[in-house]
Amino acid sequence: ETGVTQTPRHLVMGMTNKKSLKCEQHLGHNAMYWYKQSAKKPLELMFVYNFKEQTENNSVPSRFSPECPNSSHLFLHLHTLQPEDSALYLCASSPNSGGAGETQYFGPGTRLLVL
Amino acid sequence: DQQVKQNSPSLSVQEGRISILNCDYTNSMFDYFLWYKKYPAEGPTFLISISSIKDKNEDGRFTVFLNKSAKHLSLHIVPSQPGDSAVYFCAATSGSARQLTFGSGTQLTVLP
Repeated sequence: ETGVTQTPRHLVMGMTNKKSLKCEQHLGHNAMYWYKQSAKKPLELMFVYNFKEQTENNSVPSRFSPECPNSSHLFLHLHTLQPEDSALYLCASSPNSGGAGETQYFGPGTRLLVL
Repeated sequence: DQQVKQNSPSLSVQEGRISILNCDYTNSMFDYFLWYKKYPAEGPTFLISISSIKDKNEDGRFTVFLNKSAKHLSLHIVPSQPGDSAVYFCAATSGSARQLTFGSGTQLTVLP
């Protein structure tokens, strides 16, 4: 397996459910990211982890809880979501976060539908 | 307020012709710009980038132009091929920021 993988690819959940999204990168990168893409909107950065430490939280509601146990794995724990949280959730990685000229590599995303 | 704007949500071009995708930005601190391509059901893939110290970067059929005074960049694809049909995202970052700021994307359709 190469690149950035995400599971599940599709997820339907009720507002009272708890679920987790998983991201794994096989690129030896030190930084990982969660993005949200809603319909017709730009990608919105949610969280940044660098060397397993969270370095950015873009005012994301607490019903989204990230976890980064090591530089290769990133989770997004979901709890009591709202229908407006339905979106494509993309994971990305880069060699290190910050600094000009750094390319981020994306996974295929998890399409989430909250009923 | 969006700092990176792609004002054309869609563009159709005939195969073999040039595709020009445009992007405007408002933050003068941005010093590195990237273009990503996204097919349905896949994540964005990096296409080409340019540093603010340059005004042009070329990679095969893809060329990115940067006009700093106008805060405008464009992606030229020539010749366009049907396989280029995808959503193209412009993104920007600055040396002091640890994140990419994306535009909303332009759907390119190359007609055979």
